[in-house]
Amino acid sequence: AQRVTQPEKLLSVFKGAPVELKCNYSYSGSPELFWYVQYSRQRLQLLLRHISRESIKGFTADLNKGETSFHLKKPFAQEEDSAMYYCALSPLLNQGGKLIFGQGTELSVKP
Amino acid sequence: ETGVTQSPTHLIKTRGQQVTLRCSSQSGHNTVSWYQQALGQGPQFIFQYYREEENGRGNFPPRFSGLQFPNYSSELNVNALELDDSALYLCASSPGGNQPQHFGDGTRLSIL
Repeated sequence: AQRVTQPEKLLSVFKGAPVELKCNYSYSGSPELFWYVQYSRQRLQLLLRHISRESIKGFTADLNKGETSFHLKKPFAQEEDSAMYYCALSPLLNQGGKLIFGQGTELSVKP
Repeated sequence: ETGVTQSPTHLIKTRGQQVTLRCSSQSGHNTVSWYQQALGQGPQFIFQYYREEENGRGNFPPRFSGLQFPNYSSELNVNALELDDSALYLCASSPGGNQPQHFGDGTRLSIL
């Protein structure tokens, strides 16, 4: 079965602390993995994707095929990082196919 | 560059009615996907349209149907509405290939 699991519904950290949002997936082939973010009163937007290997707003994510994980990390959280984060999997590599989303993790960064 | 736009923003219907939701894709995008997002959940894939043809479908019954027009805009139709259909319906477009999807603000559908 194709599934994305985000075990934490809510993650609360203080400003300047490291952040790790967990994402595990279940898929037998070679998926493409994404992190989407939704800030308050804004639409869902792409944060990063594993094939581009970019660092966006200080966030990075490494695909670990052995552990089937794609955790999102940032060394020093900022208050403006507070948002809803969704991990997503596309089972059709390079074909812009459907996205399978996790349930989301709400990140709250306190001053 | 105009992003993905959806209409209406909110809609209230009663059980058994039918509803049509609309989506204008971002300029240059030929692929449109629809998602249902229940409260507290992640978006769930309904179906995708590519050049006016259905190109993949999620685990939704046939009363969920869609269309894509020559200008790549799209409609989601839901017949015989049920209480569980209450959700945020998201449209996303992409230029196809391996390009990521861009989402609209969604239509909030409430079934009474």
